[in-house]
Amino acid sequence: GAVVSQHPSRVICKSGTSVKIECRSLDFQATTMFWYRQFPKQSLMLMATSNEGSKATYEQGVEKDKFLINHASLTLSTLTVTSAHPEDSSFYICSALHGSGQYNEKLFFGSGTQLSVL
Amino acid sequence: AQKITQTQPGMFVQEKEAVTLDCTYDTSDPSYGLFWYKQPSSGEMIFLIYQGSYDQQNATEGRYSLNFQKARKSANLVISASQLGDSAMYFCAMRGRSTGRRALTFGSGTRLQVQP
Repeated sequence: GAVVSQHPSRVICKSGTSVKIECRSLDFQATTMFWYRQFPKQSLMLMATSNEGSKATYEQGVEKDKFLINHASLTLSTLTVTSAHPEDSSFYICSALHGSGQYNEKLFFGSGTQLSVL
Repeated sequence: AQKITQTQPGMFVQEKEAVTLDCTYDTSDPSYGLFWYKQPSSGEMIFLIYQGSYDQQNATEGRYSLNFQKARKSANLVISASQLGDSAMYFCAMRGRSTGRRALTFGSGTRLQVQP
């Protein structure tokens, strides 16, 4: 299957600082990537859709000024958590669409980033 | 709107036995895709199997098969000959076609534990 690399895998930061998470599609081009958030023992909740060369589309209730998404190339999307607070502590996981634009195109995931804000 | 329901928060199975993980869905979209993913304790999401709503046959991928019953709106995952390495969280997900929404909607997951 296609490979998606996510970095870092774990980050601990102080409250008020910003953290950048990178998501790369290694062996394919991904015009669309997604960012999900997962709380312990819960499901994945879609935060935003990242489109190469255009603004991200955020889900209802997700603060776009807090979770900055940049999709500057066909293989890289970044999520920056600005002015992080303890309630932002969570597992963040990115995914990239691989396929021909049909509805059976598959979603491949990065390995996730565990963010802990002190 | 789309909704995925997984009613089994946890399941146990003996090694080498088969296990069925339940998934029901709700959508008004006439055309859609159903997916199963495995999430080990390390956190990554591993794609297992896909079923299209108009596929005539149930999907199979190695030890994984999908028991698709369209009228009942269910897409259960069957794992045959369970292995210790199958212990993980399993998520059912779907994507509708006509809405143009390409993100997946996930269920709440089932934690499978394979016992030796």
